[in-house]
Amino acid sequence: DQQVKQNSPSLSVQEGRISILNCDYTNSMFDYFLWYKKYPAEGPTFLISISSIKDKNEDGRFTVFLNKSAKHLSLHIVPSQPGDSAVYFCAARGSNTGKLIFGQGTTLQVKP
Amino acid sequence: DAGITQSPRHKVTETGTPVTLRCHQTENHRYMYWYRQDPGHGLRLIHYSYGVKDTDKGEVSDGYSVSRSKTEDFLLTLESATSSQTSVYFCAISGGGLQSEAFFGQGTRLTVV
Repeated sequence: DQQVKQNSPSLSVQEGRISILNCDYTNSMFDYFLWYKKYPAEGPTFLISISSIKDKNEDGRFTVFLNKSAKHLSLHIVPSQPGDSAVYFCAARGSNTGKLIFGQGTTLQVKP
Repeated sequence: DAGITQSPRHKVTETGTPVTLRCHQTENHRYMYWYRQDPGHGLRLIHYSYGVKDTDKGEVSDGYSVSRSKTEDFLLTLESATSSQTSVYFCAISGGGLQSEAFFGQGTRLTVV
């Protein structure tokens, strides 16, 4: 029973264009959501997060949108750069537990 | 970088042997996690800890046990290693409440032959 799902295993975009990565969740108790980036042979690194009391959070080129009614969040990267090529994971945590659940990941390739 | 160290970084072991992986932190964070990463499955939570001697199961806990006798150390034990436990294992730490990010270690690549 996958509580956090990333249904697109891969995404390819041109440098300078927008990258949109999607994530769906099933547990309505989740109230904090995070995005991580992972390069090969390294641990995941934190990118950006959003609380359920917000619907948008922005940090430089990265913006996360949350649609609670649809149980959906997305990460926008604008403009995309070749160095953004990596695996992106979304994650979720509930207000009553420390469990941090991750999705399957989406491999982003940004072509020069 | 968050002070988190995993050891060993690489290990090859035989089927049926016990294996212990160590996660050590210097941040005094409350929460510690063990994940495994496998192709097509992303990061799956094995066990986590919310304090000394306080642990709970994750999504894929069968065949694994954990212990946390000190704030800084979280041990993951494969009681009798199987080939299906060949994976990359990541430890993570998190402090500052439930709405705070987690920081990951560099990972341990475990091969069970």
